[in-house]
Amino acid sequence: GNSVTQMEGPVTLSEEAFLTINCTYTATGYPSLFWYVQYPGEGLQLLLKATKADDKGSNKGFEATYRKETTSFHLEKGSVQVSDSAVYFCALSGSSNTGKLIFGQGTTLQVKP
Amino acid sequence: DAGVIQSPRHEVTEMGQEVTLRCKPISGHDYLFWYRQTMMRGLELLIYFNNNVPIDDSGMPEDRFSAKMPNASFSTLKIQPSEPRDSAVYFCASSLMAFSGNTIYFGEGSWLTVV
Repeated sequence: GNSVTQMEGPVTLSEEAFLTINCTYTATGYPSLFWYVQYPGEGLQLLLKATKADDKGSNKGFEATYRKETTSFHLEKGSVQVSDSAVYFCALSGSSNTGKLIFGQGTTLQVKP
Repeated sequence: DAGVIQSPRHEVTEMGQEVTLRCKPISGHDYLFWYRQTMMRGLELLIYFNNNVPIDDSGMPEDRFSAKMPNASFSTLKIQPSEPRDSAVYFCASSLMAFSGNTIYFGEGSWLTVV
């Protein structure tokens, strides 16, 4: 079945450091890939998405590229801020068009001033 | 536009009591999802509806859980009787349609503690 694997956290960085959170997936067909962010005490918000191979999703300085050859969708940001501290979830929606999401376990990011 | 609205935001209840969680999806969205989030199991899809009809309830943990969607603007998730292991954050989410790249919008969650 479809699945998503994320790097384990927590990830602790200093402000302005470079961020990478790894995400790989297993899926049949051509899934769509998502990154959601969850700030403390809140629900999940869509951060970015990509719907086909080689697409790059970007938002708020975050980027991720859909790599079909390596089945990956790694999240990157060039310079993190304290306000980026949150839990980040990688997710996929399979090509069967049910629209439902399968999530990775989440990676906690803590950015220190 | 208002987002997905859930109530209550927080609930503490005693084991054996009935718990009802409520959700109002975004107006016009045809799909509604219930997810559960725990430290041990992460985010799990419990059930989802299309046009008020349950499509896939394979994630519902057991008979103590039930979900209904009597109309396009309201859904409930009920746990009866509740147990401590049901303590979790329950998210309702909705989307406009079901294709692979579609965005699903989440509510802020109902934080349930069963003591």
